[in-house]
Amino acid sequence: GESVGLHLPTLSVQEGDNSIINCAYSNSASDYFIWYKQESGKGPQFIIDIRSNMDKRQGQRVTVLLNKTVKHLSLQIAATQPGDSAVYFCAEKGSGGSYIPTFGRGTSLIVHP
Amino acid sequence: EAGVTQSPTHLIKTRGQQVTLRCSPISGHTSVYWYQQALGLGLQFLLWYDEGEERNRGNFPPRFSGRQFPNYSSELNVNALELEDSALYLCASSLDGQGNDEQYFGPGTRLTVT
Repeated sequence: GESVGLHLPTLSVQEGDNSIINCAYSNSASDYFIWYKQESGKGPQFIIDIRSNMDKRQGQRVTVLLNKTVKHLSLQIAATQPGDSAVYFCAEKGSGGSYIPTFGRGTSLIVHP
Repeated sequence: EAGVTQSPTHLIKTRGQQVTLRCSPISGHTSVYWYQQALGLGLQFLLWYDEGEERNRGNFPPRFSGRQFPNYSSELNVNALELEDSALYLCASSLDGQGNDEQYFGPGTRLTVT
């Protein structure tokens, strides 16, 4: 998985598998977390978000888990499809008026048909 | 409804030149954010404009500047270009910049400095 920092890891899965993408964040004061999907040649697209008063949130085929104890965030994609191939990255926002999210570098998800 | 638009799509400049990138937010959005995404790196925050004023600035030198117009569109200017300025420059807009509203991104401008 990634940290909100360096190196771009890659996750390769087969179509139909479940994918889990991880993110470690560093700011214990962060209270809002977002997952983005960025396809080649496009801007980032919002997938799902979660606030620090929750530990799980589900969307359509996606689930975000938040573990504040170890400052870890994960994105689970069910029944991964070739169209899910993209770079996924997490972002965190702190409290106290900082409206600028800190973005991780991302994980490249490759889905093989 | 149109999303965030950016122009140009691609740009090639030489070191020392100046460049202006443009962004039009989603209709009704007053906040515009600029980010730099160098190859293989995460998004680095550059500038945030809301209601025509600069609200926050990232850790970039003063040769990175910008402005927001009365219609909420925005420009990013980079002077004295350096090779390491080569990156994808992304613009995002949000409804009112109150901190908990989602940012919508444009497709970006790919800048190559030679």
